[in-house]
Amino acid sequence: EVQLVEAGGGLVQPGGSLRLSCAASGFTFTSYDMNWVRQAPGKGLEWVSSIGKSGGSTYYADSVRGRFTTSRDNLRNTLYLELNSLRAEDTAIYYCAKDRPSGYAWDYWGQGTLVTVSS
Amino acid sequence: SSELTQPPSVSVSPGQTASIPCSGDKLGDKYVCWYQQKPGQPPVLVIYQDTKRPSGIPERFSGSNSGNTATLTISGTQAMDEADYYCQAWDSRKRFGGGTKLTVL
Repeated sequence: EVQLVEAGGGLVQPGGSLRLSCAASGFTFTSYDMNWVRQAPGKGLEWVSSIGKSGGSTYYADSVRGRFTTSRDNLRNTLYLELNSLRAEDTAIYYCAKDRPSGYAWDYWGQGTLVTVSS
Repeated sequence: SSELTQPPSVSVSPGQTASIPCSGDKLGDKYVCWYQQKPGQPPVLVIYQDTKRPSGIPERFSGSNSGNTATLTISGTQAMDEADYYCQAWDSRKRFGGGTKLTVL
């Protein structure tokens, strides 16, 4: 059974940093691109970042480029998102999501972890 | 335009057909997928590559995509289908539509 379990969310002050993780199991982690998606309270979905199978390729939404960094540890089957220079508008549930085998959609999502940016 | 537009809400009676449109410039040139999200839960993929259903998704869910509009259709809508639905265009920006709240009443 595919499982994605996010952790690391919490309350952080504006300008602060946080590191999220997503522990993957139930599939061959190294065979899939992985993704981060966020959802502000009561709002819609927003793609944040994607990373290739080896970790050599990373992609970011304009809203987070230069502040967030995605990485993965293929030995630990874990995806990471480092969030820096946080702003109030980064407050959201952050989900990790797995690519479909042939791409073009995300077929499994974690339950998400809440990041709140507030003083 | 870089935006994907969905109606904020759609209502349907049980057993009837619900159609949820998603519009964007030349959307038919891209693959579109659809996610269902119920309160407090992560999204669930219901349609990918415009028309394909993942394993475990009921046959009453179908999709189409042509021109500037993709459409999610739910035939014989059930109370359990009440949820928010999001379209997503598969391009470099992985854009989502704003979401449509489907009410079954």
